[in-house]
Amino acid sequence: DAGVTQSPTHLIKTRGQQVTLRCSPKSGHDTVSWYQQALGQGPQFIFQYYEEEERQRGNFPDRFSGHQFPNYSSELNVNALLLGDSALYLCASSFEGGLSPSGELFFGEGSRLTVL
Amino acid sequence: GEDVEQSLFLSVREGDSSVINCTYTDSSSTYLYWYKQEPGAGLQLLTYIFSNMDMKQDQRLTVLLNKKDKHLSLRIADTQTGDSAIYFCAEIPGEGTALIFGKGTTLSVSS
Repeated sequence: DAGVTQSPTHLIKTRGQQVTLRCSPKSGHDTVSWYQQALGQGPQFIFQYYEEEERQRGNFPDRFSGHQFPNYSSELNVNALLLGDSALYLCASSFEGGLSPSGELFFGEGSRLTVL
Repeated sequence: GEDVEQSLFLSVREGDSSVINCTYTDSSSTYLYWYKQEPGAGLQLLTYIFSNMDMKQDQRLTVLLNKKDKHLSLRIADTQTGDSAIYFCAEIPGEGTALIFGKGTTLSVSS
């Protein structure tokens, strides 16, 4: 049973470019959340998707957008990249079924984005 | 306070017990988590505790929850060099479904 998978694992972009990161949740999970982890910090919540809709959003600008597909996989898009967007982007999946969190919340290995 | 707080560093000798402490923010938090992160890797879920529990034990790991003081601790028995990593405490506040993380505690285990 594959856990949470993310791609790509590493990528380098330049300022002003756009990036798309992808996440496949753990089998049986229906909810995907994205987090940004800057070097030496704890992860910061970006947003969460359930039933193909953004359900909750953290304190991130509109340059950060996402999508969830019918198979529950998800994409994170970042436009007009800034140097400060360099970070590890983590995807987490859980099963909620529209109810309160079930407890299990698993993370992928992350996509490390470097903006030059 | 507004942040989940953890001490930044802990150093122990192999075979000793490690205790990592955390103070969280929301007395109505539903779940509280401990994650482990090794260099260059993602977050590994170690254990979690529901807010109506005081203690949870899972092999070498023991989690204690003091709701009155909003204090969470993780005890690792018989600490091994492979336990060296950064440990994150996180909560899901009563309103919402997002995890709020501390800055992490770096555990260093010497042989």
